[in-house]
Amino acid sequence: EIVLTQSPDTLSLSPGERATLPCWASQSVSSNYLAWYQQKPGQAPRLLIYGASSRATGIPDRFSGSGSGTDFTLTISRLEPEDFAVYFCQQYGSPPFAFGPGTKVDIK
Amino acid sequence: EVNLVESGGGLVQPGGSLRLSCAASGFNFSIDTMYWVRQAPGKGLELVSGMTGDARSTFYANSVKGRFTISRDNSKNTLYLQMGSLRGEDMAVYYCARRPHGFDLWGQGTMVTVSS
Repeated sequence: EIVLTQSPDTLSLSPGERATLPCWASQSVSSNYLAWYQQKPGQAPRLLIYGASSRATGIPDRFSGSGSGTDFTLTISRLEPEDFAVYFCQQYGSPPFAFGPGTKVDIK
Repeated sequence: EVNLVESGGGLVQPGGSLRLSCAASGFNFSIDTMYWVRQAPGKGLELVSGMTGDARSTFYANSVKGRFTISRDNSKNTLYLQMGSLRGEDMAVYYCARRPHGFDLWGQGTMVTVSS
């Protein structure tokens, strides 16, 4: 069973800054089936990135994903006010399709 | 419009049962693998159960195996989760989600509260 780790729990940044969110897997993620989600309070998660680096429909290009194997990163090039939220990674290559614990990006 | 709408949540006593429904619209429901994902208050996301489009293959998290049953009615474009022997730790918002590439479509969620 693959376990995902995200750190830090909270990242405090200012609008306009670059956010780099890592996600580590305990084993190699099959076919780079790694996704990133954004969740705001009271809302369902929203898919941002799938296949480690492909942006989902309608996702702004300031969001990008990279990595392979066991090390993955979500980058937000310049934080907009609406980007302050919680971000989860998920591997969907090998059941059970675990989620990481999440990183909260809040306003500094 | 492509949409998922959950229903059936509510207050249930420990040991009780509840059936959740997820109504799909705007896409070819019968070909997509569908999942239930839950989120306890203030916590992260947990994949609970999943079922392929043809209903031949299912998945259950260890935490619900033997207590929850997933099913679907492709003629009604609806996914179900029958939950039994409910415990306090099952209290959460339950989302249904679709997977082709990642989980690209989520419902708004339905809250299940387990309390006496």
